[in-house]
Amino acid sequence: NAGVTQTPKFQVLKTGQSMTLQCAQDMNHEYMSWYRQDPGMGLRLIHYSVGAGITDQGEVPNGYNVSRSTTEDFPLRLLSAAPSQTSVYFCASSPHREHLNTGELFFGEGSRLTVL
Amino acid sequence: QQQVKQSPQSLIVQKGGISIINCAYENTAFDYFPWYQQFPGKGPALLIAIRPDVSEKKEGRFTISFNKSAKQFSLHIMDSQPGDSATYFCAAPRPRGYSTLTFGKGTMLLVSP
Repeated sequence: NAGVTQTPKFQVLKTGQSMTLQCAQDMNHEYMSWYRQDPGMGLRLIHYSVGAGITDQGEVPNGYNVSRSTTEDFPLRLLSAAPSQTSVYFCASSPHREHLNTGELFFGEGSRLTVL
Repeated sequence: QQQVKQSPQSLIVQKGGISIINCAYENTAFDYFPWYQQFPGKGPALLIAIRPDVSEKKEGRFTISFNKSAKQFSLHIMDSQPGDSATYFCAAPRPRGYSTLTFGKGTMLLVSP
């Protein structure tokens, strides 16, 4: 069982470039989300989705775009990369809204992005 | 907007000692409060969670204490081991109308041999 799979694990971009971080889960989870992790800032929510075709903004959505065309996939797009977007990005999922009842989100292993 | 304040930012404990990490939240319409553990290079993973209709939950060496009136909860690691060295995050659900968890800023725990 693969769980939550993120690709790529590492990426270096130049300022202004665009790219997509991929996230796929094989657990048939309805809820998926993207967090960024920065030293001293903890985990901050970028965007989330409660099901296919439904997305919403989190705490720090600016500069990022998401879509949810299937239950399995939730890609995160950086439209024009900036050095401030250098971070480690985590995708997380849960069955429907179970994370609110159990406190459990299932995280991927992260994608480390450096923007020069 | 949910605010979750976690302390301390870092903690060094000797092997066999007790590690204590604290968390305070502002408000919530849902009642489930988790702690996550993250090892270097890995994603966070649920360690233990509590509903505030109980004041304490224990799983092995890990205990959550919950004080609903003070809006605080804490993680206690008894007999701390070097393998417990990791970053710990508390989390709380955002208020009604949202479907997300808000995380604290994390505590880096180092258990010295």
